[in-house]
Amino acid sequence: SAVISQKPSRDICQRGTSLTIQCQVDSQVTMMFWYRQQPGQSLTLIATANQGSEATYESGFVIDKFPISRPNLTFSTLTVSNMSPEDSSIYLCSVVLAGVRDHTGELFFGEGSRLTVL
Amino acid sequence: GQSLEQPSEVTAVEGAIVQINCTYQTSGFYGLSWYQQHDGGAPTFLSYNGLDGLEETGRFSSFLSRSDSYGYLLLQELQMKDSASYFCAPRSYNTDKLIFGTGTRLQVFP
Repeated sequence: SAVISQKPSRDICQRGTSLTIQCQVDSQVTMMFWYRQQPGQSLTLIATANQGSEATYESGFVIDKFPISRPNLTFSTLTVSNMSPEDSSIYLCSVVLAGVRDHTGELFFGEGSRLTVL
Repeated sequence: GQSLEQPSEVTAVEGAIVQINCTYQTSGFYGLSWYQQHDGGAPTFLSYNGLDGLEETGRFSSFLSRSDSYGYLLLQELQMKDSASYFCAPRSYNTDKLIFGTGTRLQVFP
């Protein structure tokens, strides 16, 4: 397993502002992903964070709204830009660890960042 | 595209057996994973079926039938701590990303 640290764990934000969430992993990682989970709902994939290049976004998510960086293998940031109340959600970082049951594609998740936008 | 369906909620009593179904339509299917998530917690990996058939891990088993586009998670000897949400997640060929099903909330009663 691994320790996946997300910061902040929670925040209350004002409409129109932006917030950057950090994800740090203490083990070697092959893949990193960002998910969103609205209250009582499933997890929705936002994007794949690619090291040293632009993230790969899923349908319905765009770079201007959710810029992502991944400067090295074990660290990534997700920014939620120009926030509105509809962005209130839990944002989760997840990783595939190198050499750990790679054939299963097992994901390890951070504890999430709970954002409330007023 | 992909579609995934699970029952929204299942209830059972301690000691019982419960089955959570997952039906899917996805292109380039690779395998099916199951995750558990307690309220306020992060999802955690339970099992993976890369081949058709049954995989057993302690009290939990998972089944996959590619021809039927169907899988299920079987939980035996239910305990109160099994109350959680359960998600199926097909894995697509040539990519490591997982798309999660709608989720099933399991409530275990004494």
